[in-house]
Amino acid sequence: AQSVTQPDIHITVSEGASLELRCNYSYGATPYLFWYVQSPGQGLQLLLKYFSGDTLVQGIKGFEAEFKRSQSSFNLRKPSVHWSDAAEYFCAVAAIQGAQKLVFGQGTRLTINP
Amino acid sequence: EPEVTQTPSHQVTQMGQEVILRCVPISNHLYFYWYRQILGQKVEFLVSFYNNEISEKSEIFDDQFSVERPDGSNFTLKIRSTKLEDSAMYFCAGNEQGAFVSGELFFGEGSRLTVL
Repeated sequence: AQSVTQPDIHITVSEGASLELRCNYSYGATPYLFWYVQSPGQGLQLLLKYFSGDTLVQGIKGFEAEFKRSQSSFNLRKPSVHWSDAAEYFCAVAAIQGAQKLVFGQGTRLTINP
Repeated sequence: EPEVTQTPSHQVTQMGQEVILRCVPISNHLYFYWYRQILGQKVEFLVSFYNNEISEKSEIFDDQFSVERPDGSNFTLKIRSTKLEDSAMYFCAGNEQGAFVSGELFFGEGSRLTVL
């Protein structure tokens, strides 16, 4: 069965600093990988996704993520965070064929210091 | 921009009571889902629904849970007899093509259920 681990429950960075949120997955084949963001009082919004091809994917709001098969990782990065990036970030995985569900990680809460 | 809307945003109920959570999906969506998140835990898949029937459900989705699309627009989750452990945020989601062909689920803002 698929599983997702986000090792960092809470991360605090200063505004303007770079950010990397970690995600490791467990799945026998190449999965579909996603990062979602949940701002306070909002639903989950898709930041980016990886299905195949280029292992570095670009998303909305200046985020990118890199799929590393050898490390079973899909870490999310942003070169310079803004105060509005404070939110909860969820990594998720789905099986390739006919899957109807996402398996989510625990989430990482990002706090931005001014 | 179209969005998924959920009501109520917060419901408090007594243990053993029935609860219905409602969702209005985006109009051209065909696949619908319910997920939940118990405080401090992962977002968990409950059920997927397509063509007026359940296509997949998790172990959590036992006989106390049911879903339906009664009027072609609303998509509801019913909990027949709530338990304390049903307290969670429930998210409705949908997409056009399912099976992650499009690669994105559109989520509502969630309904927080508190069972006392």
